[in-house]
Amino acid sequence: GAGVSQSPRYKVAKRGQDVALRCDPISGHVSLFWYQQALGQGPEFLTYFQNEAQLDKSGLPSDRFFAERPEGSVSTLKIQRTQQEDSAVYLCASSLDREETQYFGPGTRLLVL
Amino acid sequence: DAKTTQPPSMDCAEGRAANLPCNHSTISGNEYVYWYRQIHSQGPQYIIHGLKNNETNEMASLIITEDRKSSTLILPHATLRDTAVYYCIVRVAGSNYQLIWGAGTKLIIKP
Repeated sequence: GAGVSQSPRYKVAKRGQDVALRCDPISGHVSLFWYQQALGQGPEFLTYFQNEAQLDKSGLPSDRFFAERPEGSVSTLKIQRTQQEDSAVYLCASSLDREETQYFGPGTRLLVL
Repeated sequence: DAKTTQPPSMDCAEGRAANLPCNHSTISGNEYVYWYRQIHSQGPQYIIHGLKNNETNEMASLIITEDRKSSTLILPHATLRDTAVYYCIVRVAGSNYQLIWGAGTKLIIKP
């Protein structure tokens, strides 16, 4: 079946611009996760949704980062007033439930100039 | 902080078994060992996980020592497409959904 999809795959933004990154989880997966991956490092947790409820946003690096999943399916990660340090790959993962195996999308590579 | 230690890089000849070690000396009784890999410019791919027993699936085998302080991921017949960064992750069962990632092992399969 279809896996996790993310769009766009690549995004170039000028510093100060707002960006929105989309994640389509596997159908029927209740849990959805966002991770940030800097070059040469492992992914780092940003936030977690159970259906439409954002239960953990402890990893969001600043209040410029905002995530939503209004209908419990598609999720959007929004970054306001982008900074150069926001340049990274943003990964989305979903799982049947929070304790189950997480399956990842291909990521969105964000470059802030 | 990552709860696992892996060598930064390894080489393996194509067609041979690739054995990737992982130390997790502080693992608790209810913590699973997960393995993912990440091929260049792709998202992480789930490989296998286990608690205390050895596990095998179509991709790999996972051998966990009796004291659970270390494990080995085995790719039985490595191909060039297995070149990737392999991550060993310890995940608490039932209470922690976050995956805490280390730097992983860069596995290079050579022809």
